Amino acid sequence: TQLLEQSPQFLSIQEGENLTVYCNSSSVFSSLQWYRQEPGEGPVLLVTVVTGGEVKKLKRLTFQFGDARKDSSLHITAAQTGDTGLYLCAGPFSGTYKYIFGTGTRLKVLA
Amino acid sequence: DAGVIQSPRHEVTEMGQEVTLRCKPISGHNSLFWYRQTMMRGLELLIYFNNNVPIDDSGMPEDRFSAKMPNASFSTLKIQPSEPRDSAVYFCASSLDFWEGDTDTQYFGPGTRLTVL
Repeated sequence: TQLLEQSPQFLSIQEGENLTVYCNSSSVFSSLQWYRQEPGEGPVLLVTVVTGGEVKKLKRLTFQFGDARKDSSLHITAAQTGDTGLYLCAGPFSGTYKYIFGTGTRLKVLA
Repeated sequence: DAGVIQSPRHEVTEMGQEVTLRCKPISGHNSLFWYRQTMMRGLELLIYFNNNVPIDDSGMPEDRFSAKMPNASFSTLKIQPSEPRDSAVYFCASSLDFWEGDTDTQYFGPGTRLTVL
């Protein structure tokens, strides 16, 4: 069974601090996506990583796909209160259209 | 575009009642997904449609759940009879065409928060 474990589960930090969120699996994924979900809303896609070792940057957010395509990380530099939300990683199950979602990291950035 | 539209946003019902959740995908999108989100189980795929045809409903928990997509602009998820353990947030998502590859973007609606008493 393909599972995506995220850590930490909860994170509360001060504005301006840096943080890293991890997404790990024992299975290989052809691609991984990161979503952010705000309260009362659906998840919104942030990025898709496809190639092992790939690094993508989205302003203060840096995403990395592991060389073996079994893990990914999201690093936020100088966190802002607007970064608060639930961060989810997701990947296609065994190359199908069925996406499985990670357990989620709930981030709170305090002013 | 208005994005994916779901109704109602909140639904409170009593055990045993029928519940119907509605979704209008983004115009031009050929793929539609229904998900359920709970604290315990996270976000789970229930069913996937492509070009209005149900492709995979293996995520539907029981026969009490059914989903239809009568046309490209409307889908329903029905629970009959509802039970307290069905309480969750139900999301509908659409994408351009998942057959094009597994990196297509899914656009989620705002969800329907269902409470079954």
